[in-house]
Amino acid sequence: SAVISQKPSRDICQRGTSLTIQCQVDSQVTMMFWYRQQPGQSLTLIATANQGSEATYESGFVIDKFPISRPNLTFSTLTVSNMSPEDSSIYLCSVERETQYFGPGTRLLVL
Amino acid sequence: GQQVMQIPQYQHVQEGEDFTTYCNSSTTLSNIQWYKQRPGGHPVFLIQLVKSGEVKKQKRLTFQFGEAKKNSSLHITATQTTDVGTYFCAGEAGGSEKLVFGKGTKLTVNP
Repeated sequence: SAVISQKPSRDICQRGTSLTIQCQVDSQVTMMFWYRQQPGQSLTLIATANQGSEATYESGFVIDKFPISRPNLTFSTLTVSNMSPEDSSIYLCSVERETQYFGPGTRLLVL
Repeated sequence: GQQVMQIPQYQHVQEGEDFTTYCNSSTTLSNIQWYKQRPGGHPVFLIQLVKSGEVKKQKRLTFQFGEAKKNSSLHITATQTTDVGTYFCAGEAGGSEKLVFGKGTKLTVNP
């Protein structure tokens, strides 16, 4: 199993600002994943964060909007840049250890 | 790209009734996973199916993986109020470590 924590758990932000979300895992993992879950919707993969290399982004997501850091094997950050109300979502990090384990999520509301 | 369809989107049942959600992938899967997300919570792993035609049971939950490894189902016998939540299937295609989630089935159970 894996124990994952995320900070902040929720935030309300003004449009045009940026928010950095932190994800901490209790043990080393090779890959960490960042998902977005819009209200009442399914999970959409934003990017895969690899330690020591650039993150791999999915179609429709770009580094300028969602820069990711992965400084070590237990930690990653996702920044939501220049936010608009459309970015209001739950952002979840996850790790794979035979199956995927999800963090508790960060609930973001952009006004 | 790979798509995973899930039906129904919503299901309302009386406590004690059975419930089934179906998942269908546009491509052959190496495995399929099922997750449950309680209201306000994050997805929690339920089970992974790997073999063609596989059937697994967890108490009142029965999971099946189709012979062609493109479809799956989750059946709950005699639902209880604790079964409330959204059930997601997620498929992993061969050679990819990415999970593609279905849109989920939101289950409500009337006591």
